[in-house]
Amino acid sequence: NAGVMQNPRHLVRRRGQEARLRCSPMKGHSHVYWYRQLPEEGLKFMVYLQKENIIDESGMPKERFSAEFPKEGPSILRIQQVVRGDSAAYFCASSDFLPGEYTEAFFGQGTRLTVV
Amino acid sequence: SQQGEEDPQALSIQEGENATMNCSYKTSINNLQWYRQNSGRGLVHLILIRSNEREKHSGRLRVTLDTSKKSSSLLITASRAADTASYFCATETNAGKSTFGDGTTLTVKP
Repeated sequence: NAGVMQNPRHLVRRRGQEARLRCSPMKGHSHVYWYRQLPEEGLKFMVYLQKENIIDESGMPKERFSAEFPKEGPSILRIQQVVRGDSAAYFCASSDFLPGEYTEAFFGQGTRLTVV
Repeated sequence: SQQGEEDPQALSIQEGENATMNCSYKTSINNLQWYRQNSGRGLVHLILIRSNEREKHSGRLRVTLDTSKKSSSLLITASRAADTASYFCATETNAGKSTFGDGTTLTVKP
């Protein structure tokens, strides 16, 4: 059972380009969470998705950022018209969360986005 | 201040000494997890402690949880140079998402 897989591991984009980050959750997990980590800081929650639904996007910037988790395929975090401030490590986690039960989220290795 | 704050921000010790890091949080939680991150690398899950547990051990790691004080501690005994890393606590609430602190940077000098 492979862990959470993120790709690419490293991504370089020029200002104004689009960045697409992919996350394949662990087998059987239907809940995906995206986090952003700026240099020297902890991870900050961005968005929580279930299959085909956005459950909580309270941490997502209002513009240029979007996320999806289609019925088939990986979850995608999309950043349009990237700026230098978007440079960060983006982590994805997945879980099999069931309301009222204790769960553990498993993290991928992250995608390091550098905007030049 | 945010949910899941680590203290101290930085800690420097000699190899063989014990390292203690603390984490405080604000709201009720389902569980609390400690992670380790080497510079520029991904997260390594260390220990999960549930809200109804008070202490857990894993090798040289000992984690305590005091829900009345909304705090947790991570103790690394007999530290090694390879323990040098950043350590984060993350609290998980009923919403399923985790809230991380900014971490404690541990340096273990050989």
